[in-house]
Amino acid sequence: EVQLLESGGGLAQPGGSLRLSCAASGFSFSSYGMSWVRQPPGKGLEWVSSISGSGGLTYYADSVKGRFTISRDNFKNTLYLQMNSLRAEDTAGYYCAKIPVAGQWYFDLWGRGTLVTVSS
Amino acid sequence: EIVLTQSPGTLSLSPGERATLSCRASQTISSSYLAWYQHKPGQAPRLLVYGASSRATGIPDRFSGSGSGTDFTLTISRLEPEDFAVYYCEQYGTSPPTFGGGTKVEIK
Repeated sequence: EVQLLESGGGLAQPGGSLRLSCAASGFSFSSYGMSWVRQPPGKGLEWVSSISGSGGLTYYADSVKGRFTISRDNFKNTLYLQMNSLRAEDTAGYYCAKIPVAGQWYFDLWGRGTLVTVSS
Repeated sequence: EIVLTQSPGTLSLSPGERATLSCRASQTISSSYLAWYQHKPGQAPRLLVYGASSRATGIPDRFSGSGSGTDFTLTISRLEPEDFAVYYCEQYGTSPPTFGGGTKVEIK
């Protein structure tokens, strides 16, 4: 089955860290760029970060640049998001998503998301 | 960055009715790189339309996208019970990709 499954969300303190994972199955993972998109409670979707199929190219929203790091392990078919220096405004559901066409950042497969709450 | 404004915020309709959702951009979206997604609570978002008017794989033909420049529309010709959800547009022609605030289609 073609799917993405996120994990690693939870409660973190301001200034703390979390690492999200996204396990991919049912498609050739290394052939596709991947992204993280988040949704704060009661709000809309926000692109967070993207990575090329090889992992050699990474991109970040200004709001997370310098604090978050996207990476991937193509042997394990897994995408990661290392989140450091967390802030209350990072509280959101985090979705991983597949980019079907290189250079066109729309998303044809999404996971169900994992919730990150940043609070003391 | 490009700001997308979706209207209306909420659309109250009955099954079988036609739904027309609007997405307006703060500047021209290059190459009509505009996508539409359906999102239900607790589920993964689903791609409906990309390139403004191309239906994604497996999407019923009651869903259609149109528009260019700064004004785009998603039309659901006859609402089915499973179509009641939140719909988002996304532009990916200019970095960073941005999403609209969403339109909730609810049962009247």
